Amino acid sequence: DGGITQSPKYLFRKEGQNVTLSCEQNLNHDAMYWYRQDPGQGLRLIYYSQIVNDFQKGDIAEGYSVSREKKESFPLTVTSAQKNPTAFYLCASSIDTLWNTEAFFGQGTRLTVV
Amino acid sequence: AQSVTQLDSHVSVSEGTPVLLRCNYSSSYSPSLFWYVQHPNKGLQLLLKYTSAATLVKGINGFEAEFKKSETSFHLTKPSAHMSDAAEYFCVVPRGRNQFYFGTGTSLTVIP
Repeated sequence: DGGITQSPKYLFRKEGQNVTLSCEQNLNHDAMYWYRQDPGQGLRLIYYSQIVNDFQKGDIAEGYSVSREKKESFPLTVTSAQKNPTAFYLCASSIDTLWNTEAFFGQGTRLTVV
Repeated sequence: AQSVTQLDSHVSVSEGTPVLLRCNYSSSYSPSLFWYVQHPNKGLQLLLKYTSAATLVKGINGFEAEFKKSETSFHLTKPSAHMSDAAEYFCVVPRGRNQFYFGTGTSLTVIP
């Protein structure tokens, strides 16, 4: 079945450590996204990528980094510079070029800083 | 710029009664619009989408939404709520190439 796989589902990190969240899709989508979700705030865009080897900052990119070396993969690194990293992280993908195409989401990774 | 406003942060209904989740949009043209559902600790699942083909859109699990240009609304409805409908619902509009604007969400509680 086609879809988006995020791993791990739960992740614990000590303060001062970097951590990488995995996102893989087999939908052959060009565009991929990372969102952060906090209670009562909806989804906020961290980074997005329209094509391999290209990515753009979203609304809250500070303290995060990404790479897009393969079409299928869009890992997100939460660095020690992110001041409040505890949150639910969602990866998504969509077909490029069309405004009426929806985003498909993974099941999320819940990151907790301990 | 395109945006959406979800008018209720929380809605409670009794099982078997109708559901109404409200969404207004802001756009200089007729946009595409989506409704997503999110169950606790899960990703978002597409319920339905409007792409100008028909103003009344039917989705999964008995949900539907009507696009009303005169009211700039895209409210989500269901005739009879089920316990499994309890979740967070998001109204979404594309805001540019490969970007989406998410409403702040409406939490639906279904009372047995």
